[in-house]
Amino acid sequence: SQQGEEDPQALSIQEGENATMNCSYKTSINNLQWYRQNSGRGLVHLILIRSNEREKHSGRLRVTLDTSKKSSSLLITASRAADTASYFCADHNAGNMLTFGGGTRLMVKP
Amino acid sequence: DGGITQSPKYLFRKEGQNVTLSCEQNLNHDAMYWYRQDPGQGLRLIYYSQIVNDFQKGDIAEGYSVSREKKESFPLTVTSAQKNPTAFYLCASTPAPGETQHFGDGTRLSIL
Repeated sequence: SQQGEEDPQALSIQEGENATMNCSYKTSINNLQWYRQNSGRGLVHLILIRSNEREKHSGRLRVTLDTSKKSSSLLITASRAADTASYFCADHNAGNMLTFGGGTRLMVKP
Repeated sequence: DGGITQSPKYLFRKEGQNVTLSCEQNLNHDAMYWYRQDPGQGLRLIYYSQIVNDFQKGDIAEGYSVSREKKESFPLTVTSAQKNPTAFYLCASTPAPGETQHFGDGTRLSIL
């Protein structure tokens, strides 16, 4: 069953701007993961944040987790045209599976 | 290089035909997964296997079957019972459930 919901569904920005994507989930989690998918390709893992962590960084990516609100956000700073892709959150919950959200389609215009 | 290989990249199915999608990994991962992705949508779990010779149904298993005879291989058969098989199919593996998943590049299945 789909648990995560992502917002916005689509986002269009100019190169150099920051992009923020949000994800909500419904039950308690062990960790939350963010993936990227280029058109017609498989998903690539970006960041995993555990339930006892609040923020994590990787290069131009920053992920936050608010377990009280059951939400997470992915921030891409100084975006590039090459960041154009779909971004998915996936929560690892008590069922020991990953449940993926519907994704945010990001377009970065040069 | 370690990774997951899915084949074929494109597949066409005739009415009443079963087709099999291949997924092979050389990452020595125990757990493997099959997902279906419809246009503009997220991933839905079809089947998963946490160990050789064992597999479990996911959320949308009807019309699909799998086998896990070897650690490296987790083929998916789309049977004629699956009335709406047109989709992008993704295979993934992970060393342990809930950890980072590694994905293949998918198979796009269409109806002839």
